[in-house]
Amino acid sequence: DTAVSQTPKYLVTQMGNDKSIKCEQNLGHDTMYWYKQDSKKFLKIMFSYNNKELIINETVPNRFSPKSPDKAHLNLHINSLELGDSAVYFCASTKHATNEKLFFGSGTQLSVL
Amino acid sequence: GDSVTQMEGPVTLSEEAFLTINCTYTATGYPSLFWYVQYPGEGLQLLLKATKADDKGSNKGFEATYRKETTSFHLEKGSVQVSDSAVYFCALKLTTGNQFYFGTGTSLTVIP
Repeated sequence: DTAVSQTPKYLVTQMGNDKSIKCEQNLGHDTMYWYKQDSKKFLKIMFSYNNKELIINETVPNRFSPKSPDKAHLNLHINSLELGDSAVYFCASTKHATNEKLFFGSGTQLSVL
Repeated sequence: GDSVTQMEGPVTLSEEAFLTINCTYTATGYPSLFWYVQYPGEGLQLLLKATKADDKGSNKGFEATYRKETTSFHLEKGSVQVSDSAVYFCALKLTTGNQFYFGTGTSLTVIP
């Protein structure tokens, strides 16, 4: 059973489109994250939710909007996609907000053409 | 601010060679320190961690010691294998708050 699963694995789209990436964890964790990994492998936190409440909201364009319908799901919606949004997006979770072990999904590779 | 600096890659080693990947940190409090590994096409996985000064984390033959005096957490392995080829990330997390800070990653390729 996949602990943190995100879909789709690959996403190829045109500039200006709107797309969503979904994430689900079956670990019973309270806290979920979205990270962006650029082509140089640099990993940057975007958002974090704890029990459906936004607790980390880094400097990210407001075209990016996270949504957490329940604590097992954290989706990422991106409006008006730009070339610079091309990256691998990782979802992750921890048991509690202060817990120290991150569990990552396998990533969504987004390519904006 | 809080941050992690790790050595630039890529690193290429022959099988059974000794590995060191340097990592230093800056933190305002007392962080826990981690090494995460990312195999091709996968998400990051926790490799090892240390939560206080002089602790040694170890797993799968990898080791790292939390050195407060040098603010370092260098990753070492005595004899690498082809299957160790991956990207290695050093990270820290303060005991207060839930923000993880990752280094830029070091790509390791082990050749037979």
